[in-house]
Amino acid sequence: QVQLVQSGVEVRKPGASVKVSCQASGYTFTDYNIHWLRQAPGQGLEWLGRIKTKNGGTNFAQKFRGRVIMTRDTSNSTVFMELSSLTSDDTAIYFCARDKDAEYFPYWGQGARVTVSS
Amino acid sequence: DIQMTQSPSSLSAAVGDRVTITCRASQAISNSLAWYQQNPGRAPKLLLSAASRLEGGVPSRFSGSGSGTDYTLTINSLQPEDFATYYCQQYFTTPRTFGQGTKLEIK
Repeated sequence: QVQLVQSGVEVRKPGASVKVSCQASGYTFTDYNIHWLRQAPGQGLEWLGRIKTKNGGTNFAQKFRGRVIMTRDTSNSTVFMELSSLTSDDTAIYFCARDKDAEYFPYWGQGARVTVSS
Repeated sequence: DIQMTQSPSSLSAAVGDRVTITCRASQAISNSLAWYQQNPGRAPKLLLSAASRLEGGVPSRFSGSGSGTDYTLTINSLQPEDFATYYCQQYFTTPRTFGQGTKLEIK
């Protein structure tokens, strides 16, 4: 069965960077894109961007361009999301998700809690 | 960006009730709409895609409809496990965007 397993809790100071991983299993890794979304405490869902696992191509939401990097390691079926210049507004649970025949999300990681605090 | 507006933002209902949640897009999205259910501390669960296509394993009391800019999620005969927060998401254009959520509470 499809599984996405994410790295754990992270705490960072303002201005720092954080790198979160998402390891996929249960399907052919390069057949589907991986997306990153986040949810701030008590808030809704926000899409950060996607990585095309076949060729590493990326697309980001405008507000994150220049601050987010997404990479993949096909040998380990793992995707990484790095967010830099963190502020308290970046405190959230970060989810990876896999798409299907279109860019909706039947499969989600368990989420990685990132806290930005001085 | 396409703005997705859900209503109501919260809803109180009893077990056995029928409820409807509405999602309006700021432009036509050609049925490229998904609905999710989320429980506290959990990842969202996909319920429907293509506005009305039920995902495998999702009970048939959940249904979706709509076209153009206006879409609805209907839950018939509410069960205790249905009390959660619901989100719509458009995948017509990038960036993918979500409604702000509808919290369904037990009356």
